[in-house]
Amino acid sequence: NAGVTQTPKFRVLKTGQSMTLLCAQDMNHEYMYWYRQDPGMGLRLIHYSVGEGTTAKGEVPDGYNVSRLKKQNFLLGLESAAPSQTSVYFCASSLPTGRREDNEQFFGPGTRLTVL
Amino acid sequence: DQQVKQNSPSLSVQEGRISILNCDYTNSMFDYFLWYKKYPAEGPTFLISISSIKDKNEDGRFTVFLNKSAKHLSLHIVPSQPGDSAVYFCAAHSLEDKIIFGKGTRLHILP
Repeated sequence: NAGVTQTPKFRVLKTGQSMTLLCAQDMNHEYMYWYRQDPGMGLRLIHYSVGEGTTAKGEVPDGYNVSRLKKQNFLLGLESAAPSQTSVYFCASSLPTGRREDNEQFFGPGTRLTVL
Repeated sequence: DQQVKQNSPSLSVQEGRISILNCDYTNSMFDYFLWYKKYPAEGPTFLISISSIKDKNEDGRFTVFLNKSAKHLSLHIVPSQPGDSAVYFCAAHSLEDKIIFGKGTRLHILP
């Protein structure tokens, strides 16, 4: 049981390049999330998904697209990377069951992205 | 506008003493609160939570207190240990089942 995994761990892009970050979870969780963490800014929600085939915008969605074609995978795409997208990206998943006590989010180890 | 605020970016505490991390929120509709702990180069991990119908929840060395009238919660760690050095995020459940995080407080446990 690997939990939540993220690929790649590190990446350096040039401005204008595109890339896709992959998140995979093996806990059969319905909900999946993408966050970015910047110094002094905490964790900010980019996009999330409440089930296979569904996605929704979070707090900072501009410049990103997502897809949830399979329940276990949640992809985050950057079509034209900008230096402002330099950040650490975290993926998370949760069940949830309808009880708040069960809605713990499990996080992956993060992807450190630098855009030059 | 920040809905979950952690006004102390960092905190240093002597090993063995009590660590108190504070958090304020603005939305009275939040009904569930969580604390996450994060080590460098790792993802955050869930630490402890509290429902808005309670004012205290305890789990070993960790206790979370909730003061709804003041829209304030705090995390107490006692006794503090070296392994507690990490960034702690306060978070709140929104009605849309999203978690809103504070900016975090970096806790340093001094030997």
